[in-house]
Amino acid sequence: DAKTTQPPSMDCAEGRAANLPCNHSTISGNEYVYWYRQIHSQGPQYIIHGLKNNETNEMASLIITEDRKSSTLILPHATLRDTAVYYCIVRPYSGGGADGLTFGKGTHLIIQP
Amino acid sequence: DAGVTQSPTHLIKTRGQQVTLRCSPKSGHDTVSWYQQALGQGPQFIFQYYEEEERQRGNFPDRFSGHQFPNYSSELNVNALLLGDSALYLCASSSGLADFSYNEQFFGPGTRLTVL
Repeated sequence: DAKTTQPPSMDCAEGRAANLPCNHSTISGNEYVYWYRQIHSQGPQYIIHGLKNNETNEMASLIITEDRKSSTLILPHATLRDTAVYYCIVRPYSGGGADGLTFGKGTHLIIQP
Repeated sequence: DAGVTQSPTHLIKTRGQQVTLRCSPKSGHDTVSWYQQALGQGPQFIFQYYEEEERQRGNFPDRFSGHQFPNYSSELNVNALLLGDSALYLCASSSGLADFSYNEQFFGPGTRLTVL
């Protein structure tokens, strides 16, 4: 699996957009980018995933660069409840349902009031 | 609709002992994955069960074993506990028939294991 690099921590003001970067310069053509987050004392929660096109859902937007070597997760209007560790994961799909994921250390996003 | 449940929530064992952790998947899910999360680290994949068979395995020794029952619930067993096995053990469920690109796994709250 391709390695990802994320900043260890970031701050963002409540109500502003939070932009979380992820570098995955060794990504292969068949590897997807997944984002999960883990709020303190809870299990990780799926946010969004993409292959090469930008994606948006009710939680966030995922912007993948044209060369696919990096991506940005955007939380459009951050709230205090968005304070969590955010994990960027790159993984190929091997078929037949969800695969085991290996998480890095992620980015600890702190939303400031 | 119940989500993923795990038991117990906390557990204290001593070195050399054996432990069994339990997980019930989200309703409608048939695949269970187990993860170990050491303090300050991201979760690390242990193994995955589907149709009562171990389908994938991460880089963990044979001391870590598991089982899946016909009702899709699962157990994680760890033998000969070491101090380094102290961690949060997370269970995640998913559907074996998920869309080819879809890797959404639903995680439980975890079991906190402390080895003394």
